[in-house]
Amino acid sequence: AQRVTQPEKLLSVFKGAPVELKCNYSYSGSPELFWYVQYSRQRLQLLLRHISRESIKGFTADLNKGETSFHLKKPFAQEEDSAMYYCALSAGGTSYGKLTFGQGTILTVHP
Amino acid sequence: DVKVTQSSRYLVKRTGEKVFLECVQDMDHENMFWYRQDPGLGLRLIYFSYDVKMKEKGDIPEGYSVSREKKERFSLILESASTNQTSMYLCASSPRTASSYNEQFFGPGTRLTVL
Repeated sequence: AQRVTQPEKLLSVFKGAPVELKCNYSYSGSPELFWYVQYSRQRLQLLLRHISRESIKGFTADLNKGETSFHLKKPFAQEEDSAMYYCALSAGGTSYGKLTFGQGTILTVHP
Repeated sequence: DVKVTQSSRYLVKRTGEKVFLECVQDMDHENMFWYRQDPGLGLRLIYFSYDVKMKEKGDIPEGYSVSREKKERFSLILESASTNQTSMYLCASSPRTASSYNEQFFGPGTRLTVL
């Protein structure tokens, strides 16, 4: 069975500082990793997926299979980045796109 | 604009009541999911459905059942609500393709309180 761990429940940074939200996973196969975000009073939405190797709102995430990690990074945090962030894993294949989510990290960016 | 709607934003029920949570999507998606969201526990999958009348248990199905009679509608049923089912419930949908990279689209959530 797969598992996703986000070790930080809360993360606080100041505006302009770098931010890294940690995500570690355990899965015996080849995983597909995602980051989802939930801003205040908004619904949960996809931020980025590793397969696309994209940068969204200045965030990037690199899949490190050796360390089984998929940390989310941004060089200069903005106040509007304050939100709940979830790392998620899909087992692929015939999993019907089921996702296993981590516990979530609440990011607060102070002015 | 893709849309997943849930029947209630807030719901208060009493212990032992039968509770129905409804979810409707207008994107013609095959896959639909029910999660509960609890602080410190993240999102946990209760049930999912990959086609009409098809359903599979997720990680925490105990105390819940589901119904999918039409493609666009996926209902979560609490047969006899208990206080430990007080939670935020999120519905999501995604298309079924050969890829598992598909984005899941979420509803706004239903905050259920069981007294």
